[in-house]
Amino acid sequence: DTGVSQDPRHKITKRGQNVTFRCDPISEHNRLYWYRQTLGQGPEFLTYFQNEAQLEKSRLLSDRFSAERPKGSFSTLEIQRTEQGDSAMYLCASSLGRNPGANVLTFGAGSRLTVL
Amino acid sequence: DAKTTQPNSMESNEEEPVHLPCNHSTISGTDYIHWYRQLPSQGPEYVIHGLTSNVNNRMASLAIAEDRKSSTLILHRATLRDAAVYYCILTTSGTYKYIFGTGTRLKVLA
Repeated sequence: DTGVSQDPRHKITKRGQNVTFRCDPISEHNRLYWYRQTLGQGPEFLTYFQNEAQLEKSRLLSDRFSAERPKGSFSTLEIQRTEQGDSAMYLCASSLGRNPGANVLTFGAGSRLTVL
Repeated sequence: DAKTTQPNSMESNEEEPVHLPCNHSTISGTDYIHWYRQLPSQGPEYVIHGLTSNVNNRMASLAIAEDRKSSTLILHRATLRDAAVYYCILTTSGTYKYIFGTGTRLKVLA
């Protein structure tokens, strides 16, 4: 088990381009989360999946953002028509917990996006 | 959205104990208290969690006040590798949406 993997680790793009990030969770984990983190701030919740179902989305996830987890394994986060304000670290986490209160998240190292 | 309050920063000397406080005055009976830490250039990592009783693991101890409105993460002997941002978060039985605040940046002095 290699933990949660995220790809790419760094992405530089021009404003208006589309970008896609991939997350491979720990294999037996059924829940997968996306967070966004800007400099000096804590991670901000974007969305989470239970298996392939997207169960909750933050209002931070505008129409330009879409996340999928097609077979309940890996997930992708796509940002269309990127803006400079999208520059951030995008973190993925996974978990296997039956009790939300005692659920422990394992995070990946993140994908850093820079929009020029 | 964050339901916890932590000091922005703290300093500690190496090999001394560190007590990181967290206030959560609006905690409900079903909320767990979780601590994560984030080392530079890494994603957050789980440290410890508890509901009502104090908890110990190989990384740290968690002391929970009797009224549960505050808690303290205890690092028994700080090392330089413990320098990180420490987040205290509440998790509720009704949702998997976990809200992080800005955390406490711990600096460990050699």
